[in-house]
Amino acid sequence: QVQLQESGPGLVKPSETLSLTCAVSSYSISSGYYWGWIRQPPGKGLEWIGSIDHSGSTYYNPSLKSRVTMSVDTSKNQFSLRLSSVTAADTAVYYCARAGIQLWLRFFDYWGQGTLVTVSS
Amino acid sequence: EIVMTQSPATLSVSPGERATLSCRASQSVSSNSAWYQQKPGQAPRLLIYGASTRATGIPARFSGNGSGTEFTLTISSLQSEDFAVYSCQQYNYWPWTFGQGTKVEIK
Repeated sequence: QVQLQESGPGLVKPSETLSLTCAVSSYSISSGYYWGWIRQPPGKGLEWIGSIDHSGSTYYNPSLKSRVTMSVDTSKNQFSLRLSSVTAADTAVYYCARAGIQLWLRFFDYWGQGTLVTVSS
Repeated sequence: EIVMTQSPATLSVSPGERATLSCRASQSVSSNSAWYQQKPGQAPRLLIYGASTRATGIPARFSGNGSGTEFTLTISSLQSEDFAVYSCQQYNYWPWTFGQGTKVEIK
């Protein structure tokens, strides 16, 4: 059973950078798939932030692209998200999740439990 | 960006009854859509992919239908554990987008 676990600060100050890591177990990131981040503001719907593959190729939501950086560390079997210049609007539960590479398999089949990040001074 | 519009926002259903949820895409996404179930404080769980294929371990009372721009999720006989929020997603085009969700509540 593939498991994903998010970690990182739960509180970030406005204008600073949000940094999260997702540790993957029972599956090697190097074996394929897209590894991505999705967020959900309190009481709202899901928003895809971006995804990265094992080679480091990234795909970002244009609405966040100027502030997002994703990276992968295959030696630690984990991937990371950095979101710069955060505001209160970035307060959300952040999930990491896995999606297939082929077009017809690009749904999210495994998810982390999510981590709440609050942006506040 | 493809906009996924779900209706209704809230659906009140009695246990044992049938529930039908709708999702409309702003342009055709072929069959590259999925449905997720989310309970309070939990991560989304994949129910349906490819518009109509049940994910592993999903009960047969959940079924998906549609292609192009119109998709439906049907729960044939609601069980107590089915009361949750359901979201659709398209993955045919970048950026991948989700609907705003339909809350299925107890009537």
